[in-house]
Amino acid sequence: DTGVSQDPRHKITKRGQNVTFRCDPISEHNRLYWYRQTLGQGPEFLTYFQNEAQLEKSRLLSDRFSAERPKGSFSTLEIQRTEQGDSAMYLCASSWTPGPQHFGDGTRLSIL
Amino acid sequence: GENVEQHPSTLSVQEGDSAVIKCTYSDSASNYFPWYKQELGKGPQLIIDIRSNVGEKKDQRIAVTLNKTAKHFSLHITETQPEDSAVYFCAASIGGSSNTGKLIFGQGTTLQVKP
Repeated sequence: DTGVSQDPRHKITKRGQNVTFRCDPISEHNRLYWYRQTLGQGPEFLTYFQNEAQLEKSRLLSDRFSAERPKGSFSTLEIQRTEQGDSAMYLCASSWTPGPQHFGDGTRLSIL
Repeated sequence: GENVEQHPSTLSVQEGDSAVIKCTYSDSASNYFPWYKQELGKGPQLIIDIRSNVGEKKDQRIAVTLNKTAKHFSLHITETQPEDSAVYFCAASIGGSSNTGKLIFGQGTTLQVKP
């Protein structure tokens, strides 16, 4: 399978805990995007990388969120001190500049 | 701010009929318009896209049309099949000249194709 891979697929955690998600993009893609999707809505842009550089962050991305893409390969998205409102599907997409974005199947986060 | 409006929110058709989903966008600089299909428990899957220098694009049973003047674009599915049942999202790029690739999505259309 050469598509975008996300891990874990599901994460259940208690409010206040930290969580980290991983995304492995399509290997030749230099851009990587993170989106958040809540039930019944379209994905909302959070941030994106070109190679290892994080070029833009949405106002939706509070200080509790941080993303990295070391060496321009996989990326991680960390949420610190999780809140109920963080419950959502976190989607990763990758593309070759400029080009169509291909999505993974997401990580569903549930906050107890 | 930038937004994309998508209609209808739900659409039910008989197998073999056509389905049309419409979107409008607000950012005049938008120059790329993809459509995604999302099945339950899966991520969005790109099904067709169009750039602003093209008015229409077709791929087998799927076609997309773009009216830049009116800031409208539409998805047309002909000869619908039960496996076309899913949620469909339109999207538009933001800040075309900067080429960030950032997308803003519509609210989605749940398409049900009845056998």
